[in-house]
Amino acid sequence: AQSVTQLGSHVSVSEGALVLLRCNYSSSVPPYLFWYVQYPNQGLQLLLKYTSAATLVKGINGFEAEFKKSETSFHLTKPSAHMSDAAEYFCAVMFSGGYNKLIFGAGTRLAVHP
Amino acid sequence: EAQVTQNPRYLITVTGKKLTVTCSQNMNHEYMSWYRQDPGLGLRQIYYSMNVEVTDKGDVPEGYKVSRKEKRNFPLILESPSPNQTSLYFCASMSRGDSYEQYFGPGTRLTVT
Repeated sequence: AQSVTQLGSHVSVSEGALVLLRCNYSSSVPPYLFWYVQYPNQGLQLLLKYTSAATLVKGINGFEAEFKKSETSFHLTKPSAHMSDAAEYFCAVMFSGGYNKLIFGAGTRLAVHP
Repeated sequence: EAQVTQNPRYLITVTGKKLTVTCSQNMNHEYMSWYRQDPGLGLRQIYYSMNVEVTDKGDVPEGYKVSRKEKRNFPLILESPSPNQTSLYFCASMSRGDSYEQYFGPGTRLTVT
């Protein structure tokens, strides 16, 4: 079955430290890949997306993600965490032929401490 | 401003009392979808619609109904809500020519007692 796995339901970093949120998917065909962010009591905002162009994708707020086909991964990174980055992050995948549905990971809650 | 709107944003109701959550988009998108978000499970698709009068089940359709009579609106109907439908609900829309990016509404937090 097609699935998306986010490793780590909670990640805690210090302000200024590297942020790394992991996402792996199960598919032999490269899908479309997305990262969404959800701030407390708000809806989902698109951070970035991969749609078969450049494998390194830059998004908003200094985030970027790299699509690695051999590892079936799409990890999200930010070089230096800011307090305002504290939120829940969702990796989502749209599989080939399934353009009617996003399959979401369970989410990773990022905490940033001083 | 391009947006997806949902109403109400918050709703507390009792078991068995029919309710409707409205969703409207102003981007002329063909595709619309409903998701529910539960802790530890991410978002799961309830129903989707590829265009007017075309709807289909997602992964968790039991206990829900939808309709798509107009392109801009996609209401979610709970005929007889139960406590296990307490959740955060999101409506989304998408244009298939837009890199498959889905635009999400602000969410509706539903509590069924």
